[in-house]
Amino acid sequence: GQNIDQPTEMTATEGAIVQINCTYQTSGFNGLFWYQQHAGEAPTFLSYNVLDGLEEKGRFSSFLSRSKGYSYLLLKELQMKDSASYLCAVNHNYGQNFVFGPGTRLSVLP
Amino acid sequence: KAGVTQTPRYLIKTRGQQVTLSCSPISGHRSVSWYQQTPGQGLQFLFEYFSETQRNKGNFPGRFSGRQFSNSRSEMNVSTLELGDSALYLCASSLIARGEQETQYFGPGTRLLVL
Repeated sequence: GQNIDQPTEMTATEGAIVQINCTYQTSGFNGLFWYQQHAGEAPTFLSYNVLDGLEEKGRFSSFLSRSKGYSYLLLKELQMKDSASYLCAVNHNYGQNFVFGPGTRLSVLP
Repeated sequence: KAGVTQTPRYLIKTRGQQVTLSCSPISGHRSVSWYQQTPGQGLQFLFEYFSETQRNKGNFPGRFSGRQFSNSRSEMNVSTLELGDSALYLCASSLIARGEQETQYFGPGTRLLVL
């Protein structure tokens, strides 16, 4: 079966750095994606890893270790607007065949 | 470039009825995927269509079906609705220019309530 785990909730302070972890066990692996979803809105793409290592995009970075089935999303210089759910998703088959984690609800406090 | 559009945005049906949801992908995108999102189960993959063919399918009963037209627009149909089908149904499109999996762009979703 396919399984992805993420912490349910996290809280951080404005201006701080937060790391959201994701562990996965899937039958195949074609890439790991991170999405941001604000309440009542559709998910929006943040970052993508297919090879081991760190990918940096502005305030957001994502890391992948395929041997450990592990990824994290790093958010720097947190802003209030970063309060949202963060979804980890693995494409585990040919084409667009994704399994999503349960999401981590991040609350950024002033 | 316009984003992914879904119609209708909200829908109320009763048990036993059927429903058809529509999705128009970003212009030029050839892959369309459908997802069901509920508070208890999260985001679950329904199926993916590429060049009018279903390429991938999730673990949903046969009551859930879909199709894709030559212009890449897609429809999803749910027959014999059950209370548990109440959810946000999201459509996502991808370019698939190189035959590889690429980033998905989500539409705003259709919120279905089954009474």
